[in-house]
Amino acid sequence: QSVLTQPPSVSAAPGQKVTISCSGSSSNIGNNYVSWYQQLPGTAPKLLIYDNNKRPSGIPDRFSGSKSGTSATLGITGLQTGDEADYYCGTWDSSLSANYVFGTGTKVTVL
Amino acid sequence: QITLKESGPTLVKPTQTLTLTCTFSGFSLSTSGVGVGWIRQPPGKALEWLALIYWNDDKRYSPSLKSRLTITKDTSKNQVVLTMTNMDPVDTATYYCAHRDRIVGATDDAFDIWGQGTMVTVSS
Repeated sequence: QSVLTQPPSVSAAPGQKVTISCSGSSSNIGNNYVSWYQQLPGTAPKLLIYDNNKRPSGIPDRFSGSKSGTSATLGITGLQTGDEADYYCGTWDSSLSANYVFGTGTKVTVL
Repeated sequence: QITLKESGPTLVKPTQTLTLTCTFSGFSLSTSGVGVGWIRQPPGKALEWLALIYWNDDKRYSPSLKSRLTITKDTSKNQVVLTMTNMDPVDTATYYCAHRDRIVGATDDAFDIWGQGTMVTVSS
């Protein structure tokens, strides 16, 4: 069971906006940077956001990230059918030793 | 261009040891700050981080699997090897290796490039 909790699913119509939360604690999100990964069906994960809110080259600005306290949020605006995927947050956790943790994952459905 | 590819058996028996190899190109694991990690994903389930090795041979392991995992690197061959002992059917998953580095201007590193993954089934 992951220490980072995400909603199992979110959905919206094309063109709308969705937000995905990632809830953690002071041992992970509260004191570390968060990354977000997109996993399209049948493919490997892809880095979407790093350092809480930065986008790698090639990632459209429809995707945004933020962090406040022990929670992080991924936002997707102008939703497209191609955005249907699973999304995972990730960060370091220092509760036992320095180990990396992923969130429980969120399925985004475009209605 | 950075690429990574996982290789290893597709089927292992319970109690056996799994050995997976990540062969990469486009970077060197002797470059300061660079790492390669292993992540797995059981069918229909979430990602689970397993292990990470950095350029300086700093190794990190998932606390829940630490006793079963060993990660090593062969810089000359551009390979990272993960061994997992005492395999069980619950270890059935797609295993990914991923490049970890600090993107230009970043404060922290991230898994920025992933391999395609390799499916491993544990069954007698």
